[in-house]
Amino acid sequence: DTAVSQTPKYLVTQMGNDKSIKCEQNLGHDTMYWYKQDSKKFLKIMFSYNNKELIINETVPNRFSPKSPDKAHLNLHINSLELGDSAVYFCASSQDPGGSVNQPQHFGDGTRLSIL
Amino acid sequence: AQSVAQPEDQVNVAEGNPLTVKCTYSVSGNPYLFWYVQYPNRGLQFLLKYITGDNLVKGSYGFEAEFNKSQTSFHLKKPSALVSDSALYFCAVRDRTGYSTLTFGKGTMLLVSP
Repeated sequence: DTAVSQTPKYLVTQMGNDKSIKCEQNLGHDTMYWYKQDSKKFLKIMFSYNNKELIINETVPNRFSPKSPDKAHLNLHINSLELGDSAVYFCASSQDPGGSVNQPQHFGDGTRLSIL
Repeated sequence: AQSVAQPEDQVNVAEGNPLTVKCTYSVSGNPYLFWYVQYPNRGLQFLLKYITGDNLVKGSYGFEAEFNKSQTSFHLKKPSALVSDSALYFCAVRDRTGYSTLTFGKGTMLLVSP
């Protein structure tokens, strides 16, 4: 069983379109994350949710909107896609009870977004 | 602000030789430190972490890392490299306040030749 699964694996679309990426974890973790990895492999946090509540929102354009319907799911919706949004987006989860932040994060295999 | 530096873009070693991948960090207070590995077209996989206690931390696949507070370093090591260790390695730091972010280094590509 895949612990953190993302769909789709590949997403090719035109500039200006709206798209969503879904993420599900079956580890029972209470914290989930979205990361962006650029073409130089640099990895940057975008959002973090703990028990469905947004706790970290880095300087991300408001075209990006995360949604957590329950603590096992964290989806990412992107409006008006731009060329610079081309990247690999990773979902991750961790168990951070009581705000302790020393647990490892478990990553999905990424969604490769290409904007034409 | 916290930061991580991985000074080498690439490390080349021959199979069977020891390897070291360097990492230094900057954080206010005491850090949590992590190493992750990324294989092509895969997500990051956790290797090991330093929380407290013994400065030498052992992790998955025979890797270990040494925490050096005075040098603010957390270098990844393995006594005998395997070709299958070839991958992209990330060092990451997190401060101990609640819900802080995990900051990653830029990654170091490890190439192990047969």
